[in-house]
Amino acid sequence: NAGVTQTPKFQVLKTGQSMTLQCAQDMNHEYMSWYRQDPGMGLRLIHYSVGAGITDQGEVPNGYNVSRSTTEDFPLRLLSAAPSQTSVYFCASSIDRVGSPLHFGNGTRLTVT
Amino acid sequence: GQQVMQIPQYQHVQEGEDFTTYCNSSTTLSNIQWYKQRPGGHPVFLIQLVKSGEVKKQKRLTFQFGEAKKNSSLHITATQTTDVGTYFCAAYYGGSQGNLIFGKGTKLSVKP
Repeated sequence: NAGVTQTPKFQVLKTGQSMTLQCAQDMNHEYMSWYRQDPGMGLRLIHYSVGAGITDQGEVPNGYNVSRSTTEDFPLRLLSAAPSQTSVYFCASSIDRVGSPLHFGNGTRLTVT
Repeated sequence: GQQVMQIPQYQHVQEGEDFTTYCNSSTTLSNIQWYKQRPGGHPVFLIQLVKSGEVKKQKRLTFQFGEAKKNSSLHITATQTTDVGTYFCAAYYGGSQGNLIFGKGTKLSVKP
């Protein structure tokens, strides 16, 4: 099992560009989520999904879109990148939403100039 | 929304000293989890506490859940350089707040 796989590991964007961060898990987990991590801010939830076809907003959803067409994949789209979106992004999954432990991907370090 | 306060933000210790980080919530938790993130790495699940007053141990790590299920602590005995990293608590409130709420973490550095 690969667990949670995120690509790319690093990305540099110019302001206004769009891109998609990929996340895939092979554990048949129902719950998937995206977090961003900024110094001194901990992990903040961007969007989450409790199953294929179902997504919802977290704490900091503005500027991001998600979709969940399959159980395995949960891509995060930046529509028009801004410097404030410079961060480390983590995808995480768990077997269900009921407070189960999260399995994190290795992260994507994004810089927006 | 719900918040969980984690202190201290930083802790610098000499190798062999003990270390403790605390998490506090103003409302009762359904469960609390602890994660460790090594420098440059991703958070890794350590343990989950569910019962009031629960105490769990993993080698030199001791995790406690308060009697009122509003606070928790992680204690490391005789720190080693391999303990370096950031320790996060993650609170689960259940009900309509069905996502984990992370504390801001305690960054531990260990001087050999």
